[in-house]
Amino acid sequence: AQSVTQLGSHVSVSEGALVLLRCNYSSSVPPYLFWYVQYPNQGLQLLLKYTSAATLVKGINGFEAEFKKSETSFHLTKPSAHMSDAAEYFCAVSESGHKLSFGAGTTVTVRA
Amino acid sequence: NAGVTQTPKFRVLKTGQSMTLLCAQDMNHEYMYWYRQDPGMGLRLIHYSVGEGTTAKGEVPDGYNVSRLKKQNFLLGLESAAPSQTSVYFCASQRPDGSYEQYFGPGTRLTVT
Repeated sequence: AQSVTQLGSHVSVSEGALVLLRCNYSSSVPPYLFWYVQYPNQGLQLLLKYTSAATLVKGINGFEAEFKKSETSFHLTKPSAHMSDAAEYFCAVSESGHKLSFGAGTTVTVRA
Repeated sequence: NAGVTQTPKFRVLKTGQSMTLLCAQDMNHEYMYWYRQDPGMGLRLIHYSVGEGTTAKGEVPDGYNVSRLKKQNFLLGLESAAPSQTSVYFCASQRPDGSYEQYFGPGTRLTVT
């Protein structure tokens, strides 16, 4: 069965600081992994995805994530936070490539 | 190109009432999904469809029904609403071509009193 655990429901960072959001997954087959972002009162938007190609995946808005099979992790990073990065971020896993299981989400606050 | 749209945006129901949420997509996507979002629980899959005329249960299907009579539309029905169904409902669609990206609608906020 597929599942995701996001460590930390809230993360607060200073503008210009590193953003690190942690995600660990469980899957009985090689997984597809995703990070989605949700801005207030909006739907979700895909940030990046891992689909068994390169283990370091680059996404939109300067985000990237690294797939580590040995650690069953897919952590999201951004070197320098911007005020516009304040949002809720969801990690998701899929064994089939289409039915997603989401984590509980991490809310990012950016301090000026 | 409107993407994925949802109707209505907000709704308040009394316990026991019924309603239908409409999702429409203009991207000719085969796959469509209904999720509910609750605080601290992320999004959970209610039902999904892999093509016109087909539907399947997701993680939390109880109390909901769906229909996909036309490829572009996916309807979610609540026959007898309960307070536990107070949530934000999101529809999404996806191409079956290996792109793996789901496109989400703006959501419907439903309150059941």
